[in-house]
Amino acid sequence: EAGVTQFPSHSVIEKGQTVTLRCDPISGHDNLYWYRRVMGKEIKFLLHFVKESKQDESGMPNNRFLAERTGGTYSTLKVQPAELEDSGVYFCASSQVQREEFFGPGTRLTVL
Amino acid sequence: QKEVEQDPGPLSVPEGAIVSLNCTYSNSAFQYFMWYRQYSRKGPELLMYTYSSGNKEDGRFTAQVDKSSKYISLFIRDSQPSDSATYLCAMSAYSGAGSYQLTFGKGTKLSVIP
Repeated sequence: EAGVTQFPSHSVIEKGQTVTLRCDPISGHDNLYWYRRVMGKEIKFLLHFVKESKQDESGMPNNRFLAERTGGTYSTLKVQPAELEDSGVYFCASSQVQREEFFGPGTRLTVL
Repeated sequence: QKEVEQDPGPLSVPEGAIVSLNCTYSNSAFQYFMWYRQYSRKGPELLMYTYSSGNKEDGRFTAQVDKSSKYISLFIRDSQPSDSATYLCAMSAYSGAGSYQLTFGKGTKLSVIP
């Protein structure tokens, strides 16, 4: 069974540009989560989808971040416009049951 | 005060040693307690999760939760070089928005020396 996949693995952009991160969850997992780890800090929750609906987006830092989950399958996280402090590793996770989350390898975002 | 405190290490032990990793927390609402292992450039991998106070064993790994002290531990017996990784504790509480949010510690970097 394929695990959670994320694309790209690494993205380098300039401040003010737009970046879109993609996550493909494990097939059949209704729950999809986005997390972020910025340098020197803990991994932080961003939001949680159940199928195509946003269940909890209380961790989203501001309105420059937009997450979507098309048809309850893959998800995208767009940052527009990117700022320096957005640099970090963005993780996606999926689960059938909450609390048993399977993480992807992450996308390393560098904003210059 | 951070909700979850975890000593980042690094921690270096000889092969075969017993490793003890710990986290403390302040939020009494945490209900589920997890340990993740993360290898370099990979995502966190769930090792174990527990709900109640007490011990839970899985092979060489034992997770221990003491809710009265707000303290959790992970013990690794007969440590192997392949156990070298960063170990993250995480705790889950109901967010009130229909979701259980994970709150992570910073992670402890472990090296097991052959």
